[in-house]
Amino acid sequence: SQQGEEDPQALSIQEGENATMNCSYKTSINNLQWYRQNSGRGLVHLILIRSNEREKHSGRLRVTLDTSKKSSSLLITASRAADTASYFCATDPVSGGYNKLIFGAGTRLAVHP
Amino acid sequence: EPEVTQTPSHQVTQMGQEVILRCVPISNHLYFYWYRQILGQKVEFLVSFYNNEISEKSEIFDDQFSVERPDGSNFTLKIRSTKLEDSAMYFCASSGVLGQSVANVLTFGAGSRLTVL
Repeated sequence: SQQGEEDPQALSIQEGENATMNCSYKTSINNLQWYRQNSGRGLVHLILIRSNEREKHSGRLRVTLDTSKKSSSLLITASRAADTASYFCATDPVSGGYNKLIFGAGTRLAVHP
Repeated sequence: EPEVTQTPSHQVTQMGQEVILRCVPISNHLYFYWYRQILGQKVEFLVSFYNNEISEKSEIFDDQFSVERPDGSNFTLKIRSTKLEDSAMYFCASSGVLGQSVANVLTFGAGSRLTVL
């Protein structure tokens, strides 16, 4: 599998429910980031968690990072229809410097009113 | 809020034709990138550019691809002879501010959809 693999590939929930997406990666990282992409649009940065952090919050977003398992999760609480989008994790590899982030295939989230 | 702008938003071309996709990164950013996304699939790294030269490129970025920063604002991706499999959304991104040691957070443009017939 590739660096930055998200699961599930697709998630369908009702408004008000929580949405949890997971990401696994392979190499050592400086940080892990989550981005959002509305259909046919560019990616927008949501939140960053550094390799020495275990949990981070931003509004309705909660990100966890387990470097021993090389995995991360993104929790969106009290979801809204406007949260419907694809969500990508991206890793900043230790060897990468500012050269690149590595993205996964994303989780498509559908929030139904 | 500063943004990355890309043109054209959609280009249709015949196989074998040359295509140039244009990007204007955020003005005080130092690092520039091209990524591509085949419909519904993962976002794939193509190339990164810093200090007027390529700093890293992927296996996808073969001799058919080139990048250039022809002036102080534009950053272009050229595909010399397009193939059907080049059909994708191409995203430009930029990051890194002079004098600031910050994490590598990318700001993306809205993308250029390339359709090769």
